[in-house]
Amino acid sequence: DQQVKQNSPSLSVQEGRISILNCDYTNSMFDYFLWYKKYPAEGPTFLISISSIKDKNEDGRFTVFLNKSAKHLSLHIVPSQPGDSAVYFCAASGGSQGNLIFGKGTKLSVKP
Amino acid sequence: DGGITQSPKYLFRKEGQNVTLSCEQNLNHDAMYWYRQDPGQGLRLIYYSQIVNDFQKGDIAEGYSVSREKKESFPLTVTSAQKNPTAFYLCASRGRVGGYPSDTQYFGPGTRLTVL
Repeated sequence: DQQVKQNSPSLSVQEGRISILNCDYTNSMFDYFLWYKKYPAEGPTFLISISSIKDKNEDGRFTVFLNKSAKHLSLHIVPSQPGDSAVYFCAASGGSQGNLIFGKGTKLSVKP
Repeated sequence: DGGITQSPKYLFRKEGQNVTLSCEQNLNHDAMYWYRQDPGQGLRLIYYSQIVNDFQKGDIAEGYSVSREKKESFPLTVTSAQKNPTAFYLCASRGRVGGYPSDTQYFGPGTRLTVL
């Protein structure tokens, strides 16, 4: 059973508008959440993360929101740029091992 | 310039042969990981190592083997026992970089393995 779910396989947004990528999780023991961006045939690049003690973290155009009661997090990209077109993975970790559980990814297309 | 390197970028193997994928990091991280990515799938954990001379099986370890003799290196061998070895393989290390927590994993560029 998937512990981290990204229910939208793809998302298309106009350049300059906001992109919102969503992620749901089931394990209440998760205490650290991350977003990665991945281009084809390349390794994922770490974008932004949030600890479970916070509900928002911002880094430039990227903001991650965490709703613990709903077990839901989202990544907002404002404004969206064509270079943001990639697959975005949500990941979660909890426990001493530090292992990450990944969602299946959402492919974002930003159209000029 | 700190980071993670994987070589080669593309690798071809005949069926029945073992092949070893290289992963090196100079971030001074203790923990290292191997993942596999298939089309339309997330990343699945093959093996991980929290410290030198120790490693653990991940979710899909069958047909793979690893070693961790040095902190900087974590090679993965894909054996002939792996039934579907064609995939994109990613290595990562975990530790503190900049202001982010030490639970953050950083990835190498990946190796695309194709079995002919």
